[in-house]
Amino acid sequence: KAGVTQTPRYLIKTRGQQVTLSCSPISGHRSVSWYQQTPGQGLQFLFEYFSETQRNKGNFPGRFSGRQFSNSRSEMNVSTLELGDSALYLCAGRRGARSDNEQFFGPGTRLTVL
Amino acid sequence: DQQVKQNSPSLSVQEGRISILNCDYTNSMFDYFLWYKKYPAEGPTFLISISSIKDKNEDGRFTVFLNKSAKHLSLHIVPSQPGDSAVYFCAATANAGGTSYGKLTFGQGTILTVHP
Repeated sequence: KAGVTQTPRYLIKTRGQQVTLSCSPISGHRSVSWYQQTPGQGLQFLFEYFSETQRNKGNFPGRFSGRQFSNSRSEMNVSTLELGDSALYLCAGRRGARSDNEQFFGPGTRLTVL
Repeated sequence: DQQVKQNSPSLSVQEGRISILNCDYTNSMFDYFLWYKKYPAEGPTFLISISSIKDKNEDGRFTVFLNKSAKHLSLHIVPSQPGDSAVYFCAATANAGGTSYGKLTFGQGTILTVHP
């Protein structure tokens, strides 16, 4: 069965621009979580979507937003990019059942902000 | 405030020997713990997990031990193989009312190198 896909894999933007990243979880996985990985802060939780609703949110500014579609695909948007937004952005899917904790990650999108 | 800590940035082990990776946590609400392995330019791969109602979980060469009183967990890999060389992350989550809300809190990772 196909794994988690993320597009694009690499992206270069300049400060002030906005960016949209896409994630398609494994078929049947209804929950999508997003994480930011940087050398200084490690892997940090951004938000989780389940059945098209944001169900949980990490400690990131409002410039970071997301949405989920009826087919469980999710997008993450970052507006007014800053140099510090350069990071690997990972999404992870899971079935989303009540006690289902294992998350399955995509390969990530490497965002560079110049 | 780092709620999940992996105090060893790196670990070097000989092939065939045991690798022990350690993780400490501070948040008493964490009730489920996971280990992930990550190669460069790839996303983390799920390895093994453990619920707080258990103190040990085994899957092939991988065993995770949980000591709730010490807020400590460890991953044992026996025997270690060169292909195990990667970054290992421990992660924790708190299920509110028995429902998972998709937030994993990760440690900083430990680089494991297994020498042939």
